[in-house]
Amino acid sequence: QSVLTQPPSVSGAPGQRVTISCTGSRSNIGAAYDVHWYQQLPGTAPTLLIYGNGNRPSGVPDRFSGSKSGTSASLAITGLQAEDEADYYCQSYDSSLSSYVFGTGTKVTVL
Amino acid sequence: QVQLQESGPGLVQSSETLSLTCTVSGDFVSFTNYYWNWIRQPPGKGLEWIGYIFYNGGTNYNPSVKSRVTISIDTSKNQFSLNLTSLTTADTAVYFCASTYSGFEYFQDWSQGTLVTVSS
Repeated sequence: QSVLTQPPSVSGAPGQRVTISCTGSRSNIGAAYDVHWYQQLPGTAPTLLIYGNGNRPSGVPDRFSGSKSGTSASLAITGLQAEDEADYYCQSYDSSLSSYVFGTGTKVTVL
Repeated sequence: QVQLQESGPGLVQSSETLSLTCTVSGDFVSFTNYYWNWIRQPPGKGLEWIGYIFYNGGTNYNPSVKSRVTISIDTSKNQFSLNLTSLTTADTAVYFCASTYSGFEYFQDWSQGTLVTVSS
């Protein structure tokens, strides 16, 4: 039932920059609802990585950044590190569903 | 900082009802300042928001499970609960409880998650 689409996987070498897209529609991201991002390390619960499109909670490195434009959003990881290998999910609100919605998830692999 | 811990059975039978409870603790302003959520993740798959409850009992549910779900709250115990009826194997998932601070729309704190297997 995911209405937010992400690439299944992205990869990069240590130190490189990778980006993850999150594509929605006019009833969610395009309706000016904020986009939030979560990191899920293997075998653990998700943790909040970015909130309100581009804000980092305390403790999140500034290597992580978020942006939003139109019906899409993006998460960028610069200076990729081995510890960044995880699943990443975007999340927003959908007015047609009256429901919070998650993206399909993206697995980041550090080569 | 909010700590959440879910409790409940790890194995339930198909067609029966799942009941999970989430106990909230920690150094936070007030139980009444948050929306309290249930989220699940089938093995190897993505996240699905199930629903939330506010301290006054107000609820909102995902349309995909709305006919089968009830979330309740006990503010005296700092607990909220999930009831999911008419289970099928498709309900097998790790179930998380999570907090949303009132006025915001993201999941700030999460429980560790509990695997619930629905047996046919």
